[in-house]
Amino acid sequence: GENVEQHPSTLSVQEGDSAVIKCTYSDSASNYFPWYKQELGKGPQLIIDIRSNVGEKKDQRIAVTLNKTAKHFSLHITETQPEDSAVYFCAASGARTSYDKVIFGPGTSLSVIP
Amino acid sequence: GAVVSQHPSRVICKSGTSVKIECRSLDFQATTMFWYRQFPKQSLMLMATSNEGSKATYEQGVEKDKFLINHASLTLSTLTVTSAHPEDSSFYICSATPSSGVETQYFGPGTRLLVL
Repeated sequence: GENVEQHPSTLSVQEGDSAVIKCTYSDSASNYFPWYKQELGKGPQLIIDIRSNVGEKKDQRIAVTLNKTAKHFSLHITETQPEDSAVYFCAASGARTSYDKVIFGPGTSLSVIP
Repeated sequence: GAVVSQHPSRVICKSGTSVKIECRSLDFQATTMFWYRQFPKQSLMLMATSNEGSKATYEQGVEKDKFLINHASLTLSTLTVTSAHPEDSSFYICSATPSSGVETQYFGPGTRLLVL
């Protein structure tokens, strides 16, 4: 089955700097890669996703890149703000049907220092 | 749009009792809902996949007789933790996939269960 790894497990950056989180996956059939942000005591919130036919996607300060050949994808947050502090999860899915499982990485705890 | 709610948000119960958690998609129909469990400082672990009108599919190691799942309508799935024990204390989160799409999962706010 699919296995998703994520690095680093913790990340501290100064406000205004960029943050990069990297993930790898094992199943070459995976074709959908969402990123979730989870604040303490809350459910995960989808922040951006990318499909396998696209190499990069950007939404304001957030961008995701995908290298299907190498089976890795990354989240880039620019101009970080204290409210970006949270746990971020990458995930991978075959997404062929509505009941395809989404496999989560172990998470990255991001702290943005004012 | 794409809002998923859970009820209750937190529950405390005595060991041996059963607890029911509801997951509702508020503004869309969801053929498939997923139930996750999350322990402190850990990732989300998929427990089961719930399909409307059919039996749930459980992940390996998850006891189907202990975690009863019912998906009676396109907007509601319930998870019942039967004969709860302290080790069942956890954060339970559901997600739903719109029937109109095949990819995006929208998550509920989670339910904090504490078994005394």
